[in-house]
Amino acid sequence: DAGITQSPRHKVTETGTPVTLRCHQTENHRYMYWYRQDPGHGLRLIHYSYGVKDTDKGEVSDGYSVSRSKTEDFLLTLESATSSQTSVYFCATSGAHEQYFGPGTRLTVT
Amino acid sequence: DQQVKQNSPSLSVQEGRISILNCDYTNSMFDYFLWYKKYPAEGPTFLISISSIKDKNEDGRFTVFLNKSAKHLSLHIVPSQPGDSAVYFCAVMARGKLIFGQGTELSVKP
Repeated sequence: DAGITQSPRHKVTETGTPVTLRCHQTENHRYMYWYRQDPGHGLRLIHYSYGVKDTDKGEVSDGYSVSRSKTEDFLLTLESATSSQTSVYFCATSGAHEQYFGPGTRLTVT
Repeated sequence: DQQVKQNSPSLSVQEGRISILNCDYTNSMFDYFLWYKKYPAEGPTFLISISSIKDKNEDGRFTVFLNKSAKHLSLHIVPSQPGDSAVYFCAVMARGKLIFGQGTELSVKP
């Protein structure tokens, strides 16, 4: 398994506040991804990165931004959190076809 | 429009019997298919994959079948064990990104 950690693991925040989630990998994988998991929707891609400072939008990118200043770190920022962003967020990395996932961050926006 | 569909949200099977999980996709250009398994409070883990040049791939108790003409993918687990109880996601590779189905929750009863 790829060494992928996410922080924080749980967070409760208020509507309108900014939130940053962190993903850290130790496998030196080039590609990194942020997904959200919601009932009835499976996992949906928010943003992904194909190298340091190289990022692109996924299926559900509105309200989210990302940054990757180092190979090992990929940050997801909710600029102004809304209740619709209450979800479980997963980071993933890949070297080839398979993606390896972190343990997830449960975010609740009240 | 859902490009990858898992039409059964849940499946219950007796221990020792076969579990069959199904997945349909819409685009005949997809050429790599994967299954992931997810336990509660953990990230998804890669289970098995298949390329479009094959129609079957086997790994121990797990076999994935691909029917390209029907655009249908299935995962067979034989024999099923209580530890197989989890949510199973199928996914397709499209332009370097994974598109996931909604997931099927498998429950294996002792």
